[in-house]
Amino acid sequence: AQSVTQLGSHVSVSEGALVLLRCNYSSSVPPYLFWYVQYPNQGLQLLLKYTSAATLVKGINGFEAEFKKSETSFHLTKPSAHMSDAAEYFCAVSGEGAQKLVFGQGTRLTINP
Amino acid sequence: DTAVSQTPKYLVTQMGNDKSIKCEQNLGHDTMYWYKQDSKKFLKIMFSYNNKELIINETVPNRFSPKSPDKAHLNLHINSLELGDSAVYFCASSRSYLASNYNEQFFGPGTRLTVL
Repeated sequence: AQSVTQLGSHVSVSEGALVLLRCNYSSSVPPYLFWYVQYPNQGLQLLLKYTSAATLVKGINGFEAEFKKSETSFHLTKPSAHMSDAAEYFCAVSGEGAQKLVFGQGTRLTINP
Repeated sequence: DTAVSQTPKYLVTQMGNDKSIKCEQNLGHDTMYWYKQDSKKFLKIMFSYNNKELIINETVPNRFSPKSPDKAHLNLHINSLELGDSAVYFCASSRSYLASNYNEQFFGPGTRLTVL
């Protein structure tokens, strides 16, 4: 069975600072990994996904994530935070067979001016 | 053009009532899903349908009955609503039902259900 742990339910950074949102997964098979963003009162939007073509994955809005098999991690980063990045971020994993996304508990990102 | 749409956006009702939430996707996808997001923002899959056929049913009470009249629509009917059903319900769709790095799910805007 797959599971996801997001360390830190709330992360606060200053505008222009590095954003680091942590995600560790547990999977008995090579996982399919995704990061989604949820802006207030909206649905989820895909930020990026791990495709196995490269361990460093670039997504939308300047975000990227690095897949580290040895650490079972897929942390999300952005070099310079912008006020518009304030949102809830979800890491998700799916195993093989019928796709069933298992989500982490989410990390709320706050950007301080 | 909205890819995945849900109606209504908000639903407030009394305990014991029956209500439905509708979902439509215009992406030409074969697979659709229902997720429940609770008050702590935790997201959990409820059902998935592939081309009108039930694929996943995740230990959801029988009061919840999904219906897929065609592959572009997946509705959720809830009988005898309880206080604990209050949540945001998200519909999603994907190209196919098979797990894949390329089979990402597209989510609707959500329906906030409040049971009084």
